[in-house]
Amino acid sequence: DQQVKQNSPSLSVQEGRISILNCDYTNSMFDYFLWYKKYPAEGPTFLISISSIKDKNEDGRFTVFLNKSAKHLSLHIVPSQPGDSAVYFCAASARGIQGAQKLVFGQGTRLTINP
Amino acid sequence: EAQVTQNPRYLITVTGKKLTVTCSQNMNHEYMSWYRQDPGLGLRQIYYSMNVEVTDKGDVPEGYKVSRKEKRNFPLILESPSPNQTSLYFCASRGNSPLHFGNGTRLTVT
Repeated sequence: DQQVKQNSPSLSVQEGRISILNCDYTNSMFDYFLWYKKYPAEGPTFLISISSIKDKNEDGRFTVFLNKSAKHLSLHIVPSQPGDSAVYFCAASARGIQGAQKLVFGQGTRLTINP
Repeated sequence: EAQVTQNPRYLITVTGKKLTVTCSQNMNHEYMSWYRQDPGLGLRQIYYSMNVEVTDKGDVPEGYKVSRKEKRNFPLILESPSPNQTSLYFCASRGNSPLHFGNGTRLTVT
């Protein structure tokens, strides 16, 4: 049972335009959401996060939106640059009894920015 | 430089031959974890450790073992590898910050 889903395996966007990556989740206990970016031959690197008490978090060209009622979050990249070409993973967590945050990842979306 | 180091980066082995993938972090993190990445499935957690001598199963622990004898090291052990364990493996650690990943180990079991 995939608790975090990224339904678009790939996305192609023209340089300078907006990239929108989507993510859906099913577990209503999730209270913290993250986006990771992965280049080939490297490990995922943290990009941006959002707590469930917010509906938007912005960091430079990157903005994450959270719609709790729809159990949906999205990552907006504006403007898109060639260096943004990578695989993007959405992840979610819920604090367990021990306070541990177990991260559950989506399948990933490969973003290609075309010059 | 703060990092999570995995070795080896690439490994080709045969079915049944025991192997160990090492993971070391220099950030004094208490939490460490192993993930595997497979096409269409994303990253799935294999095992995690909250601290020294404390380990627990993730979502896909079958066929794997781990140990946490020291804070900095968290090796992944495959006692009898099988072809369905062919995958890209990532070790990660965390303090009061998001998970920090190593660069991965690509394992092929023939």
